[in-house]
Amino acid sequence: DTGVSQDPRHKITKRGQNVTFRCDPISEHNRLYWYRQTLGQGPEFLTYFQNEAQLEKSRLLSDRFSAERPKGSFSTLEIQRTEQGDSAMYLCASSRSRGQRTDTQYFGPGTRLTVL
Amino acid sequence: GESVGLHLPTLSVQEGDNSIINCAYSNSASDYFIWYKQESGKGPQFIIDIRSNMDKRQGQRVTVLLNKTVKHLSLQIAATQPGDSAVYFCAENIRAGKSTFGDGTTLTVKP
Repeated sequence: DTGVSQDPRHKITKRGQNVTFRCDPISEHNRLYWYRQTLGQGPEFLTYFQNEAQLEKSRLLSDRFSAERPKGSFSTLEIQRTEQGDSAMYLCASSRSRGQRTDTQYFGPGTRLTVL
Repeated sequence: GESVGLHLPTLSVQEGDNSIINCAYSNSASDYFIWYKQESGKGPQFIIDIRSNMDKRQGQRVTVLLNKTVKHLSLQIAATQPGDSAVYFCAENIRAGKSTFGDGTTLTVKP
């Protein structure tokens, strides 16, 4: 257990529905990352926050995806009008980064999304 | 020329043998590299990291080697155990940003 928690662990939804996932990072970590992982592939970056500011978004993050970190602690990732291609593992990671120095990203267990 | 280990999608070793997992990274500006282990249904688990000002770093039973000339990273696992069976990913970072993951290698340890 890395200290990063995600909820729910599994989500099954029907195409067209909205889903929201939550990530609670390690408490002293100022950076929070979202990745998506499909079967047999490495995680792909979606977006990341430093405190409450969203610093970078991947082109993978279509306008149906939105992420927030309103108080600089937990984060939510919402997918609107889900499509079957959204089926994947959604991973959250957190790190303590200071200036240009990168510290290790610690990953949560992931949320497995299945869109029927 | 210099010999560089190839990335293999799968690797099978006998328990007790040493394992070497290779990774080619893409960006010469990357300054931080990490190896992760991922078991089925779980998130990636940190194993060891190395910064670009080093070429070797050792942990407990693991060693990471960095060759910036050919943009190559390797993970050596000594005395491989059945519990080491998993998918291993390398990741690269540039200046405290996102991680970019390489293709994974599935390690199978035969008892």
